[in-house]
Amino acid sequence: DTEVTQTPKHLVMGMTNKKSLKCEQHMGHRAMYWYKQKAKKPPELMFVYSYEKLSINESVPSRFSPECPNSSLLNLHLHALQPEDSALYLCASSQVAAGDYEQYFGPGTRLTVT
Amino acid sequence: GENVEQHPSTLSVQEGDSAVIKCTYSDSASNYFPWYKQELGKRPQLIIDIRSNVGEKKDQRIAVTLNKTAKHFSLHITETQPEDSAVYFCAATDSGAGSYQLTFGKGTKLSVIP
Repeated sequence: DTEVTQTPKHLVMGMTNKKSLKCEQHMGHRAMYWYKQKAKKPPELMFVYSYEKLSINESVPSRFSPECPNSSLLNLHLHALQPEDSALYLCASSQVAAGDYEQYFGPGTRLTVT
Repeated sequence: GENVEQHPSTLSVQEGDSAVIKCTYSDSASNYFPWYKQELGKRPQLIIDIRSNVGEKKDQRIAVTLNKTAKHFSLHITETQPEDSAVYFCAATDSGAGSYQLTFGKGTKLSVIP
């Protein structure tokens, strides 16, 4: 299984809502990533988990809260978002072993904040 | 941190012609350089990558070259087909903390005209 899955595919939420994005992989990867991608822009790294521990937080606002419950799952909890947070949220995973760098991306969750 | 510049931002070619996309990077410690293709509404997909100990790599119609001294790498697509139309992103690693933090270029929108 060389696939990263994400749910939901689409999400519309109000600024006062709380929602969660989910990501799952069964490739045995021990690094997992959240990216945000706006239209016509490259993916922008938000968080990195390595061995289920948060290793990188790219100064993301606290209204985004990541969680890695186990080595296969990655969540992104959303609360009090702003309309400018509307974007495609991509999850990715990779090995941590030296020399094995390939990141596999999920299909993304298209988030609209109203 | 790493900075990746990508040119051109848009590229139109006739079907059957070649396309070349160029990237430069700033961090001499970067050692892995993937290229991703992203079709509209889809996830980024790795199409080819190169490591710093290799100068060139080819996979059918796609090739990548790396010049470590000049800190630039290029994607070459030969015999282009309409299905090659997409946005292409180059990236470079800035490894650390047991994971591989990709820095992306801004992307090139390739249009192949039938």
